[in-house]
Parts: sequence; structure tokens; C-alpha cells
Amino acid sequence: GENVEQHPSTLSVQEGDSAVIKCTYSDSASNYFPWYKQELGKGPQLIIDIRSNVGEKKDQRIAVTLNKTAKHFSLHITETQPEDSAVYFCAASAGTSYGKLTFGQGTILTVHP
Amino acid sequence: GAVVSQHPSWVICKSGTSVKIECRSLDFQATTMFWYRQFPKQSLMLMATSNEGSKATYEQGVEKDKFLINHASLTLSTLTVTSAHPEDSSFYICSAPGTGYNEQFFGPGTRLTVL
Repeated sequence: GENVEQHPSTLSVQEGDSAVIKCTYSDSASNYFPWYKQELGKGPQLIIDIRSNVGEKKDQRIAVTLNKTAKHFSLHITETQPEDSAVYFCAASAGTSYGKLTFGQGTILTVHP
Repeated sequence: GAVVSQHPSWVICKSGTSVKIECRSLDFQATTMFWYRQFPKQSLMLMATSNEGSKATYEQGVEKDKFLINHASLTLSTLTVTSAHPEDSSFYICSAPGTGYNEQFFGPGTRLTVL
């Protein structure tokens, strides 16, 4: 089955700096890669996703890059703000519709004002 | 976007009792829903896939007789933790697919504490 590795486990940055979180996956059949933000005591919220037919996607301060050959994808947050502090999870899903997600271990991001 | 709700948001029960958690898709229909479990400071682990009108599919290592899933309608799936024990204490989260390719919407989660 799919295995998703996520690094780093914790990330501390100053407000205004950039943050980068990296994930690798094992199943070459995976073709959907979402990123979720989870605040304490809440369910995950989708912040951005990318499909395997593109290499990069950007939404304001958030971007995701995908390298299918190397089987890794990354989340980039620019101009970080204290409200970006949360746990971030990457995930991967195979090609069938309603595919189940395999999650990475999570990254605790702390943005210091 | 699509909204998924869960009820209750938290529950405390005694060891040996059963607890039912509901997952509802509020403004869309879901023939499939997913149930995840998340222990403190850990990732989400898929427990089972709930299928409307048929049996749930459980992930390896998940006891189907302990975690009963019923998907009785296109908007409701329930997870019943039977004979709960302290080690079942966890955050249970459901999700339902949206209309986008492989897109999933997550519920707010249910915190279960077994004393």
C-alpha cells in the first residue's frame, strides 16, 4: 500500500518568513496530493491540492510543487502570519474516484510574531 | 463548499459501554464516507470505508465487530464503538467525497474519552 513520509515534524519561523514542508510517497499510481491544515480540536481543512498532471499550483501565499519522477511534493507558505500556526498534513490518493487518502505524519508549524 | 457535520463533538463514557457517532453530509449526497482515527499528536489513520446500502470495508487491523459502521442513507453514516475501553479514547473524524476528483470534505471530529 501507499506510504507517505513528511518532514519536518516541527517547524518554527518568524512572522514574514517562508515555510516549506516536504513529503514523499511510495505508490507510483498515486495522482492526487492534497494538503490539509488542522487546528487544535478540529477536523482537517483542505488548503491546496495538486494533481499529477501539473508540476506546480499556487493560491495567494500558498504553493505546492510536485516531482512525479522523484515521488515527492512540497508545500510552500510565504509571508507567514501567526494565524498560519497549526498542524499541516500532506496526503496521497490513488487514481480511482473517491480514492482513500494516506496521510503523512504531520508538521507542527509555529509562526512567532 | 460542501459541509460535513459530526455528532456529538465530544463524549465521555464508562468502560464497557457502546458509543454511536454520526456523520452527516449537509448539502450533498455521499454514497461513500470514510472514518479516520487520530491519537494525540499523531496523524489520521483510515479505519474503514462506509458504503451506502452495503457493508463497510475495514482497513487491516481494524476490528469490524468492535467498530460497527452503518450507512443507512445518502447523507448519514454512523460509527458505533462497542464495549469501549480506555485504549479506544481518540479523535474520530469522518469525511465524504465532493464532486471534484478525489476531493474530500472532513467533519469537525468527535473526541471520545473512555473512563
